[in-house]
Amino acid sequence: EPEVTQTPSHQVTQMGQEVILRCVPISNHLYFYWYRQILGQKVEFLVSFYNNEISEKSEIFDDQFSVERPDGSNFTLKIRSTKLEDSAMYFCASFRQAYNEQFFGPGTRLTVL
Amino acid sequence: RKEVEQDPGPFNVPEGATVAFNCTYSNSASQSFFWYRQDCRKEPKLLMSVYSSGNEDGRFTAQLNRASQYISLLIRDSKLSDSATYLCVVNYGQNFVFGPGTRLSVLP
Repeated sequence: EPEVTQTPSHQVTQMGQEVILRCVPISNHLYFYWYRQILGQKVEFLVSFYNNEISEKSEIFDDQFSVERPDGSNFTLKIRSTKLEDSAMYFCASFRQAYNEQFFGPGTRLTVL
Repeated sequence: RKEVEQDPGPFNVPEGATVAFNCTYSNSASQSFFWYRQDCRKEPKLLMSVYSSGNEDGRFTAQLNRASQYISLLIRDSKLSDSATYLCVVNYGQNFVFGPGTRLSVLP
C-alpha cells in the first residue's frame, strides 16, 4: 500500500540555523499538509498546499516558514532561522479527496538546541 | 477559541471494559468527522470516519450528532493493544482540525 514518507526521522540543529524537512506524499494525492506536534500537546495545522501553491496557513506559519514542491514528488518545509520553541514532531500528510481520507507520514522529530 | 474539545483523560480501564470518548466541535460548517489513533511518538492513524447515521467497525462504534455538534467513540471489550491517544478530527473543505486527544490505558 502506498505511504507517505518523511526524512530525516530526527534532525538536531542549533538555534538560528535553517532546516529543511522532506516529505514524499502519495503519488496520486493532490492536497498536502504540514502539521506540528510539540511533545505532550495536540497536533497543530501549519499549512496546506494544492496545485503548487499554499491554500491555507495557520498563524504559526509565519515568515520563518516556507513550503515547496520542487520536483513534483517531494514536498518540503523550510524553517529559516530555528528557535528553541520550534522543537517538535513535524508531520506531513496527503489527502485523497475521493475518500476524504488523510494519510500521515511517520514524522520528523526536530530538536533545536 | 478551542475548535475541537475532548475529554481530558487519561482513561485507565481494565481489559474487557467498555469505554466511551466524547468530542465537541464549534464550527457548524464542519463537514466530515474522524477518529484517529496515535501511539506514543508515532503519527496519527485513521481509526474510522464518523457518519451521521452512526457506524460500527468491529468493537468500535462512532456516533455523530450534528445538532449538538457532538461526536462519540465507543470501544467494547477493550484490549491491551487499544492503549493509545484517541484524536477527534473535524474537517471542513480541505481543513482538518485536531482535538487535543484523550489518552487510554488498558490495564491487564
